[in-house]
Amino acid sequence: QVQLQESGPGLVKPSETLSLTCAFSGGSISSYYWTWIRQPPGKGLEWIGYIYYSGTTNYNPTLKSRVTISLDSSKLQFSLKLSSVTAADTAVYYCASNPGASFNSWGQGTLVTVSS
Amino acid sequence: QSALTQPASVSESPGQSITISCTGTSSDVGGHNSVSWYQQTPGKAPKLTIYDVNKRPSGVSDRFSGSKSGNTASLTISGLQAEDEADYYCCSYAGGNIFYVFGTGTKVTVL
Repeated sequence: QVQLQESGPGLVKPSETLSLTCAFSGGSISSYYWTWIRQPPGKGLEWIGYIYYSGTTNYNPTLKSRVTISLDSSKLQFSLKLSSVTAADTAVYYCASNPGASFNSWGQGTLVTVSS
Repeated sequence: QSALTQPASVSESPGQSITISCTGTSSDVGGHNSVSWYQQTPGKAPKLTIYDVNKRPSGVSDRFSGSKSGNTASLTISGLQAEDEADYYCCSYAGGNIFYVFGTGTKVTVL
């Protein structure tokens, strides 16, 4: 079972860039898609995007213009950058791994609040 | 791409069975056998409960089962227990440039 742990600032100012990192262990980097998912307070889940070990990325079309996901194989971590944030981007951000079309391991989640 | 439609809440007594529906379109639920279900308790990360429509991960009770008909997937919990009280989300692979879409979520209350 893969273990994942998110880290990053809990407060980001409007119009700035949200940056989070997910450290993982317990699984082969080439066996999974490395994914970000978010959940606004009191609301449902939203898939943000994923990166594969080959470097292939795919993003939610509604966020695509603002999202970048990258992978650092040497450090066993992947990162999320979301630019030009607004209050609507306030959410708990989860990193997850999926060997196929289901997310079988999740980080504990980290709350990011967008506020001045 | 709109979220998959789930009932907002379902309530039932212990020992009974409930079924949660998840309705999408032919582009997501109906077009792929890649529906998964997640159980989420307050303050915790979602936990994979069913994958590929009807498969259970190791360690998940056999009281949980999944199925699909057309554009609607379903999660059934039999022999309802207090520990099953949680929010449940479906998710479907959608292909194209959408990839994954989640359901609106269902709050299950054990009376």
